Amino acid sequence: EPEVTQTPSHQVTQMGQEVILRCVPISNHLYFYWYRQILGQKVEFLVSFYNNEISEKSEIFDDQFSVERPDGSNFTLKIRSTKLEDSAMYFCASSPSLRGYTFGSGTRLTVV
Amino acid sequence: GESVGLHLPTLSVQEGDNSIINCAYSNSASDYFIWYKQESGKGPQFIIDIRSNMDKRQGQRVTVLLNKTVKHLSLQIAATQPGDSAVYFCAENIAGNNRKLIWGLGTSLAVNP
Repeated sequence: EPEVTQTPSHQVTQMGQEVILRCVPISNHLYFYWYRQILGQKVEFLVSFYNNEISEKSEIFDDQFSVERPDGSNFTLKIRSTKLEDSAMYFCASSPSLRGYTFGSGTRLTVV
Repeated sequence: GESVGLHLPTLSVQEGDNSIINCAYSNSASDYFIWYKQESGKGPQFIIDIRSNMDKRQGQRVTVLLNKTVKHLSLQIAATQPGDSAVYFCAENIAGNNRKLIWGLGTSLAVNP
């Protein structure tokens, strides 16, 4: 069964450093998303991406965040200057349409 | 400062019993709903979905019920198995809102053998 692949599975970074979280969506999907989940809390929407541009972003997705689809297969989330409160699980998802969301296994980001 | 995790509602059932997990959704304009299962350390896994023009949908061992009058969604799992132990989330999509999912808090299901 096709999967969304995320790397790394765990990233530890110092506060103020830049991190790039990587995702390989399912190949025939057109819509891409990033969500995050702070430990023990709800899953929160960050951003959706379609046709090589952001289609929607949440208030969490401020100027420190950016997304990119640098080639035909990867979808990345960059956090420019990490803060302690950015520590969370970050999930990438893709879908061919509204239905059929598939999530990756997540990257656990720990900011120290 | 230290963040405090929210206390998840917990449902504990005996293996073989039926489970019912409830969710109150937030927006009357939502027209699509999904149930996800999340096991520890893994990403959310799709279980079943339902559109707002339906009030019931059945899958394999699972049934989703939608009551739009009171904005309530439930997930029924028949003959619950130990492998069903996980956190279950409902998520909603507001009509026309570009496929963003709004997630509920989650319910932790513990299946006792």
